[in-house]
Amino acid sequence: EIVLTQSPGTLSLSPGERATLSCRASQNITNDFLAWYQHKPGQAPWLLMFGASSRATGIPDRFSGSGSGTDFTLTISRLEPADFAVYYCQQYGSSQITFGPGTKVDIK
Amino acid sequence: QVKLVESGGGVVQPGRSLRLSCATSGFSFSSYGMHWVRQAPGKGLEWVASIWFDGSRKYYADSVKGRFTISRDNSRKTMYLQTNSPRVEDTAVYYCVRGVGIGDYWGQGTLVTVSS
Repeated sequence: EIVLTQSPGTLSLSPGERATLSCRASQNITNDFLAWYQHKPGQAPWLLMFGASSRATGIPDRFSGSGSGTDFTLTISRLEPADFAVYYCQQYGSSQITFGPGTKVDIK
Repeated sequence: QVKLVESGGGVVQPGRSLRLSCATSGFSFSSYGMHWVRQAPGKGLEWVASIWFDGSRKYYADSVKGRFTISRDNSRKTMYLQTNSPRVEDTAVYYCVRGVGIGDYWGQGTLVTVSS
């Protein structure tokens, strides 16, 4: 099983600031099959990125993903009020899908 | 538009069975793999099981292998999760998700509480 580690656990920032979230895998992720999701309380998770760096339909370009192999990053260039949420990375390169523990982005 | 609606959640005693359903509409169900993801209270997301578009392959998390069964009925555009021998630690919101890997559409979830 591929274990994903996310850091930091919590990121306290102000609207307009840049957010950088990290996701590290215990082994190489096949074909960089790494996705990012945004999750708000009481709502279903929302797909942001797939294939490490491809934005899902309708996702604004202030969200970007990068990385390969075992180290990946989600960057939010300028935080908007709607962006304060929990973010999960997920690997789907293996038939045993795994999620990271999440990074909470909250308002400073 | 794409819709995924889970049902069948509720309170179940440990060891009793419960079947979750996911009714879909707005897309060609028989062309897509599907999976279940859960979130225990105060915890993160946990993948539970996946099923290929034609039901020919199924994969399970180690935590539910041998106890849960994923299935689908393409004629009814519906996916199922049979939860046999549930444990207290299976208490969670269960989400139905389109896709075997990438989850591009999610249902709103159904709460399963395992308690005596």
